[in-house]
Amino acid sequence: ETGVTQSPTHLIKTRGQQVTLRCSSQSGHNTVSWYQQALGQGPQFIFQYYREEENGRGNFPPRFSGLQFPNYSSELNVNALELDDSALYLCASSPRLAGGTDTQYFGPGTRLTVL
Amino acid sequence: QQQVKQSPQSLIVQKGGISIINCAYENTAFDYFPWYQQFPGKGPALLIAIRPDVSEKKEGRFTISFNKSAKQFSLHIMDSQPGDSATYFCAAFRGDTGNQFYFGTGTSLTVIP
Repeated sequence: ETGVTQSPTHLIKTRGQQVTLRCSSQSGHNTVSWYQQALGQGPQFIFQYYREEENGRGNFPPRFSGLQFPNYSSELNVNALELDDSALYLCASSPRLAGGTDTQYFGPGTRLTVL
Repeated sequence: QQQVKQSPQSLIVQKGGISIINCAYENTAFDYFPWYQQFPGKGPALLIAIRPDVSEKKEGRFTISFNKSAKQFSLHIMDSQPGDSATYFCAAFRGDTGNQFYFGTGTSLTVIP
């Protein structure tokens, strides 16, 4: 086990609603990244937080937002849900800024279904 | 636009055989190339990784071969075992634009006993 936990495991929402997904990183990990993994695809980078500040963002619209807290937990918020937002959402933590030398430890993910 | 292209999509190998998964990239700014293993219901887990200044890296039964001039890299699993059955993702990292990892589309490996 990686020590990274995510909640909830599964979630069903309807189009237009808002959702908050939660991640608890390993203690001491200053960096958390969020990914969207559509069925049969590789993870797509949403954004990364380092010491509670956004430090990089992939090609996702502003309705995807995040927060990182001092207690090594973080949130992914998605507003105005669309059907295409249905996916597995993964968070990954690492001890320092993910400069390529630090292993990212992934959580098991939250499966979001938008109806 | 897929920054990292991975093949094959699926692979079936006999126990004891060699599994080979290939990836290609275009952007020469990438400077770190990890491989991840993902079992159903779990997040990806780092398997092995390489930097472009090295042509090969071996860890146990897993080897990465890296061809910088061709912008290709591959994962070789020697003596494949049924427990290796999983989805494998290659990835590429660049730190100059947002510390972003780009993942391939994945290869579903099945090792038949």
